Amino acid sequence: NAGVMQNPRHLVRRRGQEARLRCSPMKGHSHVYWYRQLPEEGLKFMVYLQKENIIDESGMPKERFSAEFPKEGPSILRIQQVVRGDSAAYFCASSRLRGQLMNTEAFFGQGTRLTVV
Amino acid sequence: KQEVTQIPAALSVPEGENLVLNCSFTDSAIYNLQWFRQDPGKGLTSLLLIQSSQREQTSGRLNASLDKSSGRSTLYIAASQPGDSATYLCAVRRRMGTGNQFYFGTGTSLTVIP
Repeated sequence: NAGVMQNPRHLVRRRGQEARLRCSPMKGHSHVYWYRQLPEEGLKFMVYLQKENIIDESGMPKERFSAEFPKEGPSILRIQQVVRGDSAAYFCASSRLRGQLMNTEAFFGQGTRLTVV
Repeated sequence: KQEVTQIPAALSVPEGENLVLNCSFTDSAIYNLQWFRQDPGKGLTSLLLIQSSQREQTSGRLNASLDKSSGRSTLYIAASQPGDSATYLCAVRRRMGTGNQFYFGTGTSLTVIP
């Protein structure tokens, strides 16, 4: 899973600031999934993206959160006007093609730990 | 909606003991189940993947079983070592759809005492 790169590893933001989390998928992977792990809770799905498309954002909060996966460059999870409750670990996973994902292990990044002070 | 439960939430054993971690899920229409290890402040390391058509998978001292009809999986760790101390997560992958792929349990925190 070392192939999925997330940065920064740790991010501290004051309330009201913006947080940008980046995820570079494994080489050749065109699908990215973002998950959030709140303290003492399991990982929860947020959004599933393909290059230049949002496939499923049913797990994203309705406000302040957005995600993109441009044709070039990493996927970005953006949180505007952060609040203390946004403090969590954010993980992304990548896959090659939707069908192939079913037969392969999931590859997760090391996560970004966001702390809102 | 798929719900994944892991028990116990925490487990402490002396070094050398064999142990079993449990995972249960409510919807048996899964594609596969995966066990992960998470060290404090770190990411997820894949341990074992079991396809829905399989009953078990083994890797070294680890053995995972799957009973899809009853919605259960176990992770067996033989001859535990202090280095096994971590949180163990199970995740089921749903069979259909284009959205969320993985449903995670909240994990079992394992401490192996030297």
